[in-house]
Amino acid sequence: RKEVEQDPGPFNVPEGATVAFNCTYSNSASQSFFWYRQDCRKEPKLLMSVYSSGNEDGRFTAQLNRASQYISLLIRDSKLSDSATYLCVVKTSGGSYIPTFGRGTSLIVHP
Amino acid sequence: DGGITQSPKYLFRKEGQNVTLSCEQNLNHDAMYWYRQDPGQGLRLIYYSQIVNDFQKGDIAEGYSVSREKKESFPLTVTSAQKNPTAFYLCASSHPLVGRGAFFGQGTRLTVV
Repeated sequence: RKEVEQDPGPFNVPEGATVAFNCTYSNSASQSFFWYRQDCRKEPKLLMSVYSSGNEDGRFTAQLNRASQYISLLIRDSKLSDSATYLCVVKTSGGSYIPTFGRGTSLIVHP
Repeated sequence: DGGITQSPKYLFRKEGQNVTLSCEQNLNHDAMYWYRQDPGQGLRLIYYSQIVNDFQKGDIAEGYSVSREKKESFPLTVTSAQKNPTAFYLCASSHPLVGRGAFFGQGTRLTVV
């Protein structure tokens, strides 16, 4: 079982739609969680951290469920510019906090 | 401005050659990482370093080498022993605290010709 798993998609949605991505992680010792955005042929960029209580940044909401070991990202009122690959990232304790990446979920927002 | 810089952006290597990819950061981060990304794939960890003069192998270290002589710099050498080096190479750095995210350079696209 992979450490971090994501549905690769693509998720194809119209502008203005609400879309949600999930990500599951296998190591219960995981301590920090993040969502990154990666545009085609570019480097990943940190979108937001994910906190146990859930957190929101504008149209983006992230949730963490430690009991079920998954995190989610909700995007409201999708824009064309939201089209990208969204990467789930987990940092796990054990001496070195190495960021482990999921394969990413592709989002395509169309007019 | 603080950031992390990779060079070159594009690199072409002949078979049998060693090449070195540069990664420099001025974020004062202790931890630095090298990842490899193949088309349609996720990021795989090659090497990481948590402190100067120390580094550890990641999941796919074979055919690669690194050094960490300065806090700011973490160069990656792709040796001739790496049989399939064509890929997108990404360097990242982060604060050692577990709750901090990592920041990436713009990447180096390596092609074997």
